[in-house]
Amino acid sequence: SYVLTQPPSVSVAPGQTARITCGGDNIGSKTVHWYQQRPGQAPVLVVYDDSDRPSGIPERFSGSTSGNTATLTINRVEDGDEADYYCQVWDTTIDWVFGGGTKLTVL
Amino acid sequence: QVQLEQSGAEVKKPGSSVKVSCKASGDNFSTYTINWVRQAPGQGLEWMGGIIPILGTPDYAQKFRGRVTLTADESTSTAYMELSSLKSEDTAVYYCARVIGTSWDYWGQGTLVTVSS
Repeated sequence: SYVLTQPPSVSVAPGQTARITCGGDNIGSKTVHWYQQRPGQAPVLVVYDDSDRPSGIPERFSGSTSGNTATLTINRVEDGDEADYYCQVWDTTIDWVFGGGTKLTVL
Repeated sequence: QVQLEQSGAEVKKPGSSVKVSCKASGDNFSTYTINWVRQAPGQGLEWMGGIIPILGTPDYAQKFRGRVTLTADESTSTAYMELSSLKSEDTAVYYCARVIGTSWDYWGQGTLVTVSS
């Protein structure tokens, strides 16, 4: 089975840059999506197709992939960005796979 | 604006079944995949299966085959997830979500299913 590995937690001060990684075998050849989940709420799509943003998502959120790692970058972090973040991929052989999630703490 | 409205919380006994509904509004329900995922307390997201209403043929995650049944009613724009032989480990929040491309762009609010004797 295909495994996506995320760090359990990332901490950053307000105004700084947060980088959340998602490791997977040759993940650069797959299409990666990222979701934000605030406590008690449903997940929200924040980056799709590796690096695109849905309407309404701030430009501070961006995504990239290379080799075996995908990265969600959040610039100028705000208190409201504190949440769990999940990466996700799909293909015909593995179906839908989520990473284990990363808790972003804003110090 | 697409909305997915799920049914309310359920409390079930071990060994019983639960059926959760997901009613869509605001777009063409029938042609998009509706996926189901669950989240146990304090845990991550786990894909269970999906269905394209117009085709009616579900796809199930290996772990849930034989225990989960996905259906869809085009006339009411509602998808259903039924999970049988419930165990305490099935206690979780169950979400439906619409798929566009390969991303999940709209989600239901979640349904808490508690399995307890």
